[in-house]
Amino acid sequence: DGGITQSPKYLFRKEGQNVTLSCEQNLNHDAMYWYRQDPGQGLRLIYYSQIVNDFQKGDIAEGYSVSREKKESFPLTVTSAQKNPTAFYLCASSIYLGRDNEQFFGPGTRLTVL
Amino acid sequence: AQTVTQSQPEMSVQEAETVTLSCTYDTSENNYYLFWYKQPPSRQMILVIRQEAYKQQNATENRFSVNFQKAAKSFSLKISDSQLGDTAMYFCAFMNARLNRDDKIIFGKGTRLHILP
Repeated sequence: DGGITQSPKYLFRKEGQNVTLSCEQNLNHDAMYWYRQDPGQGLRLIYYSQIVNDFQKGDIAEGYSVSREKKESFPLTVTSAQKNPTAFYLCASSIYLGRDNEQFFGPGTRLTVL
Repeated sequence: AQTVTQSQPEMSVQEAETVTLSCTYDTSENNYYLFWYKQPPSRQMILVIRQEAYKQQNATENRFSVNFQKAAKSFSLKISDSQLGDTAMYFCAFMNARLNRDDKIIFGKGTRLHILP
């Protein structure tokens, strides 16, 4: 089945530790995205990537980093510089950036920093 | 900058009733796309319906339809014959139609919809 996978579903980390969230897609999509979702805030864009080895900052990139070494994979690292990392993180992909392409979403990762 | 506003944080309706979710947006662009996404309790985001701004006809998908008022910059979602499975958070979203690498989807803050048995 084609789709987007995110792992793990729940993640707990101690304050001050970096943590990497996985996102993989087998839809052959060019564009991939990371969103953060907080109660009452909707979805806020962290980073997005149009092609391999290229990515752009979104609205709240501070304290996060990404890589796009393969078309299928777009991991997100939450660094210790992120002041309030506890949130629900959604990964998405679309055929390519722009136009009316539907974004397909993964099931999300709930990160809790203790 | 474009913005998307959903003025109803939470709504409840009885099963089988019709409900309308409001969305307004602000843009200086003439051509763009509008979307409604659904996020049920499982938190899996699903596209419900999309509308292209240059199309005057309102989009429909089974029990879901939109009322697109371009001049008023309004894009409401109507759910007819509501079902328990419609209980979810609904997000309105906007995207420019230009092929610009900096263009991205902008989401509203969502409306939490409860369908009551």
